[in-house]
Amino acid sequence: GEDVEQSLFLSVREGDSSVINCTYTDSSSTYLYWYKQEPGAGLQLLTYIFSNMDMKQDQRLTVLLNKKDKHLSLRIADTQTGDSAIYFCAESRRNQGGKLIFGQGTELSVKP
Amino acid sequence: NAGVTQTPKFQVLKTGQSMTLQCAQDMNHEYMSWYRQDPGMGLRLIHYSVGAGITDQGEVPNGYNVSRSTTEDFPLRLLSAAPSQTSVYFCASTEGQGLLGYTFGSGTRLTVV
Repeated sequence: GEDVEQSLFLSVREGDSSVINCTYTDSSSTYLYWYKQEPGAGLQLLTYIFSNMDMKQDQRLTVLLNKKDKHLSLRIADTQTGDSAIYFCAESRRNQGGKLIFGQGTELSVKP
Repeated sequence: NAGVTQTPKFQVLKTGQSMTLQCAQDMNHEYMSWYRQDPGMGLRLIHYSVGAGITDQGEVPNGYNVSRSTTEDFPLRLLSAAPSQTSVYFCASTEGQGLLGYTFGSGTRLTVV
């Protein structure tokens, strides 16, 4: 993807918290998203945050946005083996008609 | 309400063959797009359309054509398949400028030999 960066792998133990990080470069981005992809499946929208928000919480998921540093994170509390998947962050670029630009994806492995 | 439907799910082509990947959505979404997914590279935008009759190129358009004659359908054509086009292809759609997220199809896994 163009200028959306993620680390490729993360391994945690069941019950721990997972934090997946993402950096982006386009300051015109309106919405930022987290998608989940399970093996052999398409992408499922997990959550999104508007660019004028700092934090959004949705059950076990917490999204933090630092607009100054263009840094986005996804925290999964009490991580379960069913959370093992690839997580993509993506930005919607307002000055490009809402084009969605993805990071490379972070593969989360949850060990029992 | 089927969402975004892609066909076929799997396809093997010989180098030089042409084919069309189908994508249809029943949500009356204006915006549709095609991505390819390759290991370690995330999803890269091939082509997109902001409405019937309007298409534009994404990051990696070479070797692919699209058309948008109706709101529902957005087929992706491979003109002369090459091994470098071996990938998983996803179609996605959204209303407006996608501010509330995109709906993805389940993907087409294409192998070019």
